[in-house]
Amino acid sequence: DGGITQSPKYLFRKEGQNVTLSCEQNLNHDAMYWYRQDPGQGLRLIYYSQIVNDFQKGDIAEGYSVSREKKESFPLTVTSAQKNPTAFYLCASSKTGTDTQYFGPGTRLTVL
Amino acid sequence: QKEVEQNSGPLSVPEGAIASLNCTYSDRGSQSFFWYRQYSGKSPELIMFIYSNGDKEDGRFTAQLNKASQYVSLLIRDSQPSDSATYLCAVNRGQGGSYIPTFGRGTSLIVHP
Repeated sequence: DGGITQSPKYLFRKEGQNVTLSCEQNLNHDAMYWYRQDPGQGLRLIYYSQIVNDFQKGDIAEGYSVSREKKESFPLTVTSAQKNPTAFYLCASSKTGTDTQYFGPGTRLTVL
Repeated sequence: QKEVEQNSGPLSVPEGAIASLNCTYSDRGSQSFFWYRQYSGKSPELIMFIYSNGDKEDGRFTAQLNKASQYVSLLIRDSQPSDSATYLCAVNRGQGGSYIPTFGRGTSLIVHP
């Protein structure tokens, strides 16, 4: 089955620790995205990548980092510089030249 | 600043009724319009997209677009309790733009038996 996978589903982190969220897709999509969603809020764009080895900051990139070494993978690192990292993190992908996004199941990060 | 506005709700309708969800947007150059359904604790799932003025029907769902008035709506006919979810509207300029939609905050729909 084609789709987007995210792991882990739930993640707990102590303050001051970096943590990496995984996102993999086998849809052959070129573009991938990371969003953050807080309770009762819309989706806020963290980073996006439209091609391998290139990525752009979104609206709330501070305290986050990404890499795009493979077309299928777009991991997100939440660093200790992110002051309020507890949230639901969503990865999405789309075909080049289109804006129809498909989402992974999400990772819920809780900072203890 | 591109804005997409939705009434947060909750919108409560009885089972079998028509649920009407509305979305307004600020960017007159918008060309692509999407509706996503998000169950509590889950990720958004694409329901429909619409590019042209008028209605687009898919099963029990109908998307309506009025670019002159800058609104897009989603009608759900014969609403079922399983339709209870948050519905996100997303809008984008499409080709020539960034291909990244702007999302509204969503409208919570409750369908009661």
